[in-house]
Amino acid sequence: GAGVSQSPSNKVTEKGKDVELRCDPISGHTALYWYRQSLGQGLEFLIYFQGNSAPDKSGLPSDRFSAERTGGSVSTLTIQRTQQEDSAVYLCASSLSGHLSGNTIYFGEGSWLTVV
Amino acid sequence: GNSVTQMEGPVTLSEEAFLTINCTYTATGYPSLFWYVQYPGEGLQLLLKATKADDKGSNKGFEATYRKETTSFHLEKGSVQVSDSAVYFCALMDSSYKLIFGSGTRLLVRP
Repeated sequence: GAGVSQSPSNKVTEKGKDVELRCDPISGHTALYWYRQSLGQGLEFLIYFQGNSAPDKSGLPSDRFSAERTGGSVSTLTIQRTQQEDSAVYLCASSLSGHLSGNTIYFGEGSWLTVV
Repeated sequence: GNSVTQMEGPVTLSEEAFLTINCTYTATGYPSLFWYVQYPGEGLQLLLKATKADDKGSNKGFEATYRKETTSFHLEKGSVQVSDSAVYFCALMDSSYKLIFGSGTRLLVRP
């Protein structure tokens, strides 16, 4: 597609369950980012991929959070044993290259996660 | 560390009023600066950017100038419309090429 695509757009899960969120970046974009947007916390960086490797995962809040990227394209963010404080919008973004200052980063519409 | 501070909202204006949303940053070196906008029910969109000091980014009647002396990147528009109602985020790109965002400013424009 033309833009960054995320699925599911909405997910309600029970506390303690695992969830997977998927991101399809813009075709040809080598850099991929995950952010989290929650009330009172603004936009938090989670992890950055360049190709299939993650040179910066400094924003992952705990070891319950992990992400992978395969084939230099699709990425999956996994949250294990979800907690209510994980409820947020998870945003994926991509750019042509992660090594250019001023590069435009394009965002998807996000996956709304609600943990009940 | 790197950070972005922007004025708290909500900012409420009448249509055709002048808009300023203040943004200042703390960073080592001279990062690229961005304004993103999030319209109701939509994702984040790039509004404008500036990559070096004294650059002016502009789009859709919005402007922001990269001021190195004051470490600022204030967003301005001469005449706002109801359709400009949204949340505006100021951001910098750090040395690891990721965006660091401000907390966002909600703008509400009344007819």
